[in-house]
Amino acid sequence: ELKVEQNPLFLSMQEGKNYTIYCNYSTTSDRLYWYRQDPGKSLESLFVLLSNGAVKQEGRLMASLDTKARLSTLHITAAVHDLSATYFCAVDIGYSNYQLIWGAGTKLIIKP
Amino acid sequence: NAGVTQTPKFRILKIGQSMTLQCTQDMNHNYMYWYRQDPGMGLKLIYYSVGAGITDKGEVPNGYNVSRSTTEDFPLRLELAAPSQTSVYFCASSYSAGGSETQYFGPGTRLLVL
Repeated sequence: ELKVEQNPLFLSMQEGKNYTIYCNYSTTSDRLYWYRQDPGKSLESLFVLLSNGAVKQEGRLMASLDTKARLSTLHITAAVHDLSATYFCAVDIGYSNYQLIWGAGTKLIIKP
Repeated sequence: NAGVTQTPKFRILKIGQSMTLQCTQDMNHNYMYWYRQDPGMGLKLIYYSVGAGITDKGEVPNGYNVSRSTTEDFPLRLELAAPSQTSVYFCASSYSAGGSETQYFGPGTRLLVL
């Protein structure tokens, strides 16, 4: 069974701290996406990782992909309240059905 | 450029009723998708389309139907609504599948079946 597992599923942290969200997947893939969802809102694309060793950074967020370990990380540096949201990773299994398999999401709360 | 729009935003259905969720995109994207998001869960793909006249089933298609007569529109039809279809439905589009193309999401339709 194809699985995408995120951990933790819930994270409460203080402003200024660093933390990492992990995304493990069970199938071969070299394409992984990170999305952000604010409460009651739609999903917004954050990063697209297309190869082993890919690293992307935007502001206080940095994502990386290790296809051999089937692992992606989303690192938050010096967290600020505005980063509070739910973060999803999605793995593209490609082939003929253009299907993304989504993780359950990590709900991140950043306290002042 | 409105992106992906969905209507309605919220709807309450009685068991056994039917309805159509509308989705329109103005980005001339070939690929369109319908997902459902249950509380505390990731998205599940219901149906997708790779172009006008071409649709295919995703992971959870039972109880739903789609059509794609134009590039812009991709309606989702619920027949005989059931409580298990209570969810938030998102429509998305992308220029191509896979590769480096991200999916752009609509605002969602919240559906409650009672």
